[in-house]
Amino acid sequence: DQQVKQNSPSLSVQEGRISILNCDYTNSMFDYFLWYKKYPAEGPTFLISISSIKDKNEDGRFTVFLNKSAKHLSLHIVPSQPGDSAVYFCAAYHNTDKLIFGTGTRLQVFP
Amino acid sequence: DTEVTQTPKHLVMGMTNKKSLKCEQHMGHRAMYWYKQKAKKPPELMFVYSYEKLSINESVPSRFSPECPNSSLLNLHLHALQPEDSALYLCASSPVVSGSQPQHFGDGTRLSIL
Repeated sequence: DQQVKQNSPSLSVQEGRISILNCDYTNSMFDYFLWYKKYPAEGPTFLISISSIKDKNEDGRFTVFLNKSAKHLSLHIVPSQPGDSAVYFCAAYHNTDKLIFGTGTRLQVFP
Repeated sequence: DTEVTQTPKHLVMGMTNKKSLKCEQHMGHRAMYWYKQKAKKPPELMFVYSYEKLSINESVPSRFSPECPNSSLLNLHLHALQPEDSALYLCASSPVVSGSQPQHFGDGTRLSIL
């Protein structure tokens, strides 16, 4: 049972445009969400997080939005750069200690 | 540069071999984790150590044996593995076990079982 879902396996965006990556979850007990970026042959790198008491968190080019009623979060990257090309995982904490990952979205930013 | 160091980067072993994966962090974190990631799948939690004590075992087969000798070091001892155990094994750490702090990952050990 996949509790964190990323329904788009891939996304292609032109450099300079906005990239929007989406994530849905099923467990209403999740209260802290994270986004990780993963390059080939490297481990996941933490990008940005959001607590369930907020609906938006911003860090430079990266903004995460949370819609609790819809059990949906999204990551916006503006402007997108070729170096952003990677696999992006959303994740949520379950019971404070277990991080549950989504299936990932491969982002490709082309010139 | 990752602050969680895993060795070796690659490991090929037979089903009767015994080997160990090593993970080290010097960030003063007191929570350490092992994850398994199969191709095109998300990382899946295997074990959680909190203050050098095993706090979570996600029903992992006994052929995987974790060890936390001190607060900076985490090992995963492997014995009699099966071909389906071939995967990327990721180590992570966080300041403490908490539902509101990110975990920091190493680059993983890619394990192949012959």
